[in-house]
Amino acid sequence: DQQVKQNSPSLSVQEGRISILNCDYTNSMFDYFLWYKKYPAEGPTFLISISSIKDKNEDGRFTVFLNKSAKHLSLHIVPSQPGDSAVYFCAASRSAPDKLIFGTGTRLQVFP
Amino acid sequence: DTAVSQTPKYLVTQMGNDKSIKCEQNLGHDTMYWYKQDSKKFLKIMFSYNNKELIINETVPNRFSPKSPDKAHLNLHINSLELGDSAVYFCASSHASDYYNEQFFGPGTRLTVL
Repeated sequence: DQQVKQNSPSLSVQEGRISILNCDYTNSMFDYFLWYKKYPAEGPTFLISISSIKDKNEDGRFTVFLNKSAKHLSLHIVPSQPGDSAVYFCAASRSAPDKLIFGTGTRLQVFP
Repeated sequence: DTAVSQTPKYLVTQMGNDKSIKCEQNLGHDTMYWYKQDSKKFLKIMFSYNNKELIINETVPNRFSPKSPDKAHLNLHINSLELGDSAVYFCASSHASDYYNEQFFGPGTRLTVL
């Protein structure tokens, strides 16, 4: 039972344009949502998070949007840069400390 | 100044052997985790310790035994290794009081069972 889903396994975007990565979840008990970025042969690194009481959180080029009624979140990267090319995982959690439930990941490729 | 470190980074062994993976964090966190990333790239929780106490124990075979000698260390011992244990194992740590439950991950240990 996959509680967190990323339906697009890959995304290709031109440098300078917007990248939009999507994530859906099924468990309404989740309170916190996080995005992680992962390069090959490295561990996931934290990018940005949002709590269920908000609908938007921004950090520089990264913005996460949450639509609780649709159980959907998205990560926007503007402008996209070649260094953003990586696998992006969304994750969900109840109150800390608790496990993170990860999506299956979306491989983003930003080309010049 | 590595935050979460794991040893070894690569581990190749025969079926039936016993092996251990070590994890250390220097972030002053009180909670540590083991996650497994399988061949399909799913990242799934295995165990979690808070202040050396086991707080999460997912449905993992009892051949896997975590041990936390102190808050900064969490080791994973695996007995009688099987082919299906081949995966990348990630250690992570966090503050129990962190609002967003942000977890910091180690570089991973790629285990290959032949």
